[in-house]
Amino acid sequence: QQQVKQSPQSLIVQKGGISIINCAYENTAFDYFPWYQQFPGKGPALLIAIRPDVSEKKEGRFTISFNKSAKQFSLHIMDSQPGDSATYFCAARRFTGNQFYFGTGTSLTVIP
Amino acid sequence: GAGVSQSPSNKVTEKGKDVELRCDPISGHTALYWYRQSLGQGLEFLIYFQGNSAPDKSGLPSDRFSAERTGGSVSTLTIQRTQQEDSAVYLCASSFTSGTGELFFGEGSRLTVL
Repeated sequence: QQQVKQSPQSLIVQKGGISIINCAYENTAFDYFPWYQQFPGKGPALLIAIRPDVSEKKEGRFTISFNKSAKQFSLHIMDSQPGDSATYFCAARRFTGNQFYFGTGTSLTVIP
Repeated sequence: GAGVSQSPSNKVTEKGKDVELRCDPISGHTALYWYRQSLGQGLEFLIYFQGNSAPDKSGLPSDRFSAERTGGSVSTLTIQRTQQEDSAVYLCASSFTSGTGELFFGEGSRLTVL
């Protein structure tokens, strides 16, 4: 049973465009929603994260939008660059037990 | 400061052999996680250690998989009688349990079972 559902599986965007990745969850016990970025041959690294009491968080070109009532959150990458080409994972943490659940990942390719 | 260190980075083994994968977490991190990443797949939770508490083994796919964490630090994931479907990248992550509990991942151990 996939606790966090992520889409799309892959995404191709022109340089300068907006990349949007969506995630949805069911468990209301989740209290922290991070996004991880993974380059080939490397482990995932934290990109940006949000708590459910906030509807939006922005860090540079990266923004998380969070809709608590719909149990959905998304990552927006503005002015996408070729260096953003990577796999992106959304995740949700269940506070009880400190357990993290990951989406299936989105492979982003930004075309120059 | 060093990050999460995993070894070996690559392991090729024959079907039926046992393998051990090692994880050295960031010093002071009380939580340690093992995940499995198969080609084109997401991160599959395997096991979670938190301090001296009993580990959460709910993600281990079969009794061929086991893990231990010695002295609250280094962890070893053991796969017995390896099968071809065990081929994957095994990722270790560590974190503090207070605050956000951000996970810090190692670069993984790529296991290939022939």
